[in-house]
Amino acid sequence: NAGVTQTPKFRILKIGQSMTLQCTQDMNHNYMYWYRQDPGMGLKLIYYSVGAGITDKGEVPNGYNVSRSTTEDFPLRLELAAPSQTSVYFCASSYRNRDRGRNTIYFGEGSWLTVV
Amino acid sequence: DQQVKQNSPSLSVQEGRISILNCDYTNSMFDYFLWYKKYPAEGPTFLISISSIKDKNEDGRFTVFLNKSAKHLSLHIVPSQPGDSAVYFCAASAVGGADGLTFGKGTHLIIQP
Repeated sequence: NAGVTQTPKFRILKIGQSMTLQCTQDMNHNYMYWYRQDPGMGLKLIYYSVGAGITDKGEVPNGYNVSRSTTEDFPLRLELAAPSQTSVYFCASSYRNRDRGRNTIYFGEGSWLTVV
Repeated sequence: DQQVKQNSPSLSVQEGRISILNCDYTNSMFDYFLWYKKYPAEGPTFLISISSIKDKNEDGRFTVFLNKSAKHLSLHIVPSQPGDSAVYFCAASAVGGADGLTFGKGTHLIIQP
């Protein structure tokens, strides 16, 4: 009953360092997403993927990269970490059929990232 | 410009009473609406949803009402319980839209004993 699993849970980075947030789902969902949530704000979409090999930018993609080599995995890469990337990151997934109907998204537990 | 708005950052309700959380949206293309519940240090969990072809959806103690003409939806929790204390996010999507959900900023519901 794992659902969406993301690691690490907590991480402190120095400015300019790089890291990868890992995300995997076992629900055979075709869509996967990365969101970030800043204090007092809603969740904002960073990147999403509609299937293996296909990724697209969301609302706040700058400073991030993603890849989707398998249906299950959707890692988020931070290059040259900046203090503005201090946030909580949520990976999520959903199943959408061909007509891209109602989209109920399921979230992981979150990764707390601090850049100092 | 915020397309989904939750204008109450927090709401305090006595245990056993009704909690009403409100949400407004501006994008007329939205036709599917969801509520998520979030505890501290956890991810959001899906609570209940409603399609634009309906004006009400009920699941146990939770009911969501949709007023399309006013672009307004609300979540009713009856009766409120201590475990309902959490942040509630309203979210919306457009059927056929390629990207993910658009979220409001959330309302922190506090259930007082």
